[in-house]
Amino acid sequence: AQTVTQSQPEMSVQEAETVTLSCTYDTSESDYYLFWYKQPPSRQMILVIRQEAYKQQNATENRFSVNFQKAAKSFSLKISDSQLGDAAMYFCAYMSGGGTSYGKLTFGQGTILTVHP
Amino acid sequence: GAVVSQHPSRVICKSGTSVKIECRSLDFQATTMFWYRQFPKKSLMLMATSNEGSKATYEQGVEKDKFLINHASLTLSTLTVTSAHPEDSSFYICSAKPPGTSGRPHQETQYFGPGTRLLVL
Repeated sequence: AQTVTQSQPEMSVQEAETVTLSCTYDTSESDYYLFWYKQPPSRQMILVIRQEAYKQQNATENRFSVNFQKAAKSFSLKISDSQLGDAAMYFCAYMSGGGTSYGKLTFGQGTILTVHP
Repeated sequence: GAVVSQHPSRVICKSGTSVKIECRSLDFQATTMFWYRQFPKKSLMLMATSNEGSKATYEQGVEKDKFLINHASLTLSTLTVTSAHPEDSSFYICSAKPPGTSGRPHQETQYFGPGTRLLVL
């Protein structure tokens, strides 16, 4: 079974600064997808960024970018120019690319991000 | 963007009663929907996978007779918590996945509902 580990229960950053959230995963599969989701106090899950394992290029979405190290099974999220609205719980998630587990998301434990003005 | 709704947003019920939670994909057809449970400040735990027109697939440790799932149409899945007890109090979240298309990237994205907070007294 796949596992996802977020080793940082809490992180904090000053507004306008940069912060990196860590995520590692364990899998024997070659085809999979990785996601970062954001869950603000409203508890609505919001997709932040998505990475296909077959793509070597790191995904980028505006101020959000990932550092995808496939060999190391690492998938960190970098938030640049942090804003107060970025404060939330962030979840790293894994999804198999096929087989019986296709479509099922396995989530990490989550990292609570606090943004200080 | 794709929108998923859940109803009710919060519900309080007495122990022993049953509660039904609806999950709807508003602007796309969802052949597959997923139900998650989340405790405060904890991660989401997958409970079951709901496929339209077939029986749900439950994760290990989830009581299928306790948590009844019905996916009667391409836009609606329901979760019924039967004979609810205080330990069933939790935040329940559904997600929906559009069917596959010729372009791979977006078919893997799941869209989440806003969640339902259940409190059993």
